[in-house]
Amino acid sequence: DTAVSQTPKYLVTQMGNDKSIKCEQNLGHDTMYWYKQDSKKFLKIMFSYNNKELIINETVPNRFSPKSPDKAHLNLHINSLELGDSAVYFCASSPDRDSLSEAFFGQGTRLTVV
Amino acid sequence: LAKTTQPISMDSYEGQEVNITCSHNNIATNDYITWYQQFPSQGPRFIIQGYKTKVTNEVASLFIPADRKSSTLSLPRVSLSDTAVYYCLVGGNTGFQKLVFGTGTRLLVSP
Repeated sequence: DTAVSQTPKYLVTQMGNDKSIKCEQNLGHDTMYWYKQDSKKFLKIMFSYNNKELIINETVPNRFSPKSPDKAHLNLHINSLELGDSAVYFCASSPDRDSLSEAFFGQGTRLTVV
Repeated sequence: LAKTTQPISMDSYEGQEVNITCSHNNIATNDYITWYQQFPSQGPRFIIQGYKTKVTNEVASLFIPADRKSSTLSLPRVSLSDTAVYYCLVGGNTGFQKLVFGTGTRLLVSP
């Protein structure tokens, strides 16, 4: 069983489109995250959710909207896609928000905007 | 947040021991040191975490001197499959989301 799974793994779309990436974790963790890894391989946190509530929203355009229907799922919806949104997006989870417990990452979603 | 500095890249051969050093001069009293590994086309994976002295698990060892201003990740007898990017992160008990991934060290293991 995959601990943190993301779909789709690859996503190619045109500028201006709206797309969603789904993430699910079966670890029973309370906290989930979205990270963006750009072409230079820098990995930056975008959002953090704890028990379905947003606890971190880094400087991310409001075209990006996370949705957490339950604590096992954290989806990322992106409106009006731009070329600069092309990157690999990683979902992750950890047991709770306050500790440095091991975080588990998904395999990533490679988004290409053309 | 403590800033970390690591070598951008390192090369090694199969069977050798690899030591990757991370500098974190402004580490705070309650900060821990955590290392993650990222293979191409995969998400980062936790390797090891420590606070002081030495920590060892089935994958690696982590050496932390008394002043804690640096740490060294030691990979014994590397294999080709250890080729990856290794990230050193420093942070306290304010949650994983506060940890900052730097540029990491790209380790290339050759036959």
